[in-house]
Amino acid sequence: QVQLVQSGAEVKKPGASVKVSCKASGYTFTSYGISWVRQAPGQGLEWMGWISAYNGNTNYAQKLQGRVTMTTDTSTSTAYMELRSLRSDDTAVYYCARGIAAAGILKYMDVWGKGTTVTVSS
Amino acid sequence: EIVLTQSPGTLSLSPGERATLSCRASQSVSSSYLAWYQQKPGQAPRLLIYGASSRATGIPDRFSGSGSGTDFTLTISRLEPEDFAVYYCQQYGSSPELTFGGGTKVEIK
Repeated sequence: QVQLVQSGAEVKKPGASVKVSCKASGYTFTSYGISWVRQAPGQGLEWMGWISAYNGNTNYAQKLQGRVTMTTDTSTSTAYMELRSLRSDDTAVYYCARGIAAAGILKYMDVWGKGTTVTVSS
Repeated sequence: EIVLTQSPGTLSLSPGERATLSCRASQSVSSSYLAWYQQKPGQAPRLLIYGASSRATGIPDRFSGSGSGTDFTLTISRLEPEDFAVYYCQQYGSSPELTFGGGTKVEIK
């Protein structure tokens, strides 16, 4: 079945970087995109951006431009999200999700990973 | 950026009752490009509805979506115990950025 398996929880100090992985299985990886969404404790969902696994094109939320990089490794069907210059308000659960797109535009996400908790604390 | 406002913030209902959740956009959402998700505590969101009214695979028919332009509705015809959760709307297609509403919590009365 279609599945996204994310890497384990991380604890980082302010100013550090974190790289979260998301391994896909059960479908043709390059036929879809991968979107990243985060959720701070007790808060709602925040879209971070997405990457087309077909051609590597990315689209990042303006708020995170310059701090986030999304990549894919098609040989292992794995997507990565790196967030740099971490701050305490980056503490959140980070989800990857399979993105359904048309004409290069992300539409919605139909399968989600279980999430990776990232804690930023000194 | 399109802002989505969900109401009410919390809906207190009993099992078997009908739930009506609202999602209002700050400007028109093109071509009814609106989705709804359900999230239970400690779990990832689950896609319920896309294209404003199309149910995702495996979603029971008690869930329905409607609306267009700036006003959208998720209706749960008869609440089952497993339906008590937080629901988010999400728009796409109108700008490079995808946005979520703030969520509606459906709780047991």
